[in-house]
Amino acid sequence: DQQVKQNSPSLSVQEGRISILNCDYTNSMFDYFLWYKKYPAEGPTFLISISSIKDKNEDGRFTVFLNKSAKHLSLHIVPSQPGDSAVYFCAARGGSGAGSYQLTFGKGTKLSVIP
Amino acid sequence: DGGITQSPKYLFRKEGQNVTLSCEQNLNHDAMYWYRQDPGQGLRLIYYSQIVNDFQKGDIAEGYSVSREKKESFPLTVTSAQKNPTAFYLCASSDQGFWKLFFGSGTQLSVL
Repeated sequence: DQQVKQNSPSLSVQEGRISILNCDYTNSMFDYFLWYKKYPAEGPTFLISISSIKDKNEDGRFTVFLNKSAKHLSLHIVPSQPGDSAVYFCAARGGSGAGSYQLTFGKGTKLSVIP
Repeated sequence: DGGITQSPKYLFRKEGQNVTLSCEQNLNHDAMYWYRQDPGQGLRLIYYSQIVNDFQKGDIAEGYSVSREKKESFPLTVTSAQKNPTAFYLCASSDQGFWKLFFGSGTQLSVL
């Protein structure tokens, strides 16, 4: 049973426009959400995170929005640049016990930014 | 410069053979993790260790074994019992009680 879902396997966006990557989750015990960026044959790198007590977090061109009632979060990239082309993984941390030491990852969305 | 080093970058396994993937970190992190990535799939947790000499199974531990004799090292052995070992393996670490994972550059394991 997938607890973290990224329903769009791929997304293409023109350079300079906004990229919106979506993520849905089912476990209400998740208390932290993270986005990672991954290039082929490399390890993921941390991009941005948000606590479940917030609804928005910004870092430069990247903004993450959290809608707890809908169990939905999204990553906005504005403006999109060709170097943003990568696979983006949504991840969530469990709230207590062993789950607090684990991240559950979605399957990823491949973003292609077209020059 | 602190980080996580995985070796080798590419590894080939013969039928019935055990292979060991190396993971070393100099970030002084307490917790270490092994994830597996298959094409089109997310990262699935194999094993994790919160402290030295202790480790727990993740979601897909069957056919794998680990050890944590030193804080810096968390090697993963892919045993012959793992029938579908071809995948990209990622090691990660984090501070105890912290949530942000730092990943190594990965090892691609293939079966000959």
